[in-house]
Amino acid sequence: AQSVAQPEDQVNVAEGNPLTVKCTYSVSGNPYLFWYVQYPNRGLQFLLKYITGDNLVKGSYGFEAEFNKSQTSFHLKKPSALVSDSALYFCAVRVPNSGYALNFGKGTSLLVTP
Amino acid sequence: EAGVAQSPRYKIIEKRQSVAFWCNPISGHATLYWYQQILGQGPKLLIQFQNNGVVDDSQLPKDRFSAERLKGVDSTLKIQPAKLEDSAVYLCASSLGAGETQYFGPGTRLLVL
Repeated sequence: AQSVAQPEDQVNVAEGNPLTVKCTYSVSGNPYLFWYVQYPNRGLQFLLKYITGDNLVKGSYGFEAEFNKSQTSFHLKKPSALVSDSALYFCAVRVPNSGYALNFGKGTSLLVTP
Repeated sequence: EAGVAQSPRYKIIEKRQSVAFWCNPISGHATLYWYQQILGQGPKLLIQFQNNGVVDDSQLPKDRFSAERLKGVDSTLKIQPAKLEDSAVYLCASSLGAGETQYFGPGTRLLVL
């Protein structure tokens, strides 16, 4: 089955420091991986995706993610965290069935402190 | 460009009552998804439409949940009768086509008492 795992329930980082939110995947075939962010009382917002090509994917709001095939990981990164980045982050993998829906991880809460 | 619209934003009902949610996808998006997000978990697919046809409803509890997208645009999701464990946020998403990036609405937060 196509799945992703987010090993950390919460990540704490000081404003201005680099941040990493971890995601590992388990898929058969080539993975199609996504990151979404969810602010309180709002829906999920698309950040970035990896389909093929360059292992470093750049997305919205200064976020990027690195696809690592040998480690089956797709960690989300940002060089300098902002307080406004505090939110819930979800990693997801596209399921290659007839519908191509997404299987989501359980989410990682990011807290950026001033 | 307008995003995915959902209503109502919040709903409180008692168990065994019925409830309906509405979703209007981004204009031109052929694929529409309904996800259920229980507190502390990631969203889980309930049903996926391609235009007005069902692509995947394997995880939809069909004894109580139903959904339709009659004209291939708006969609409604209904629960009848509701159970306590249906308390969750119901998210609607749309994409240009199957496999394309999904864009989510703000969700409907349901509380079943």
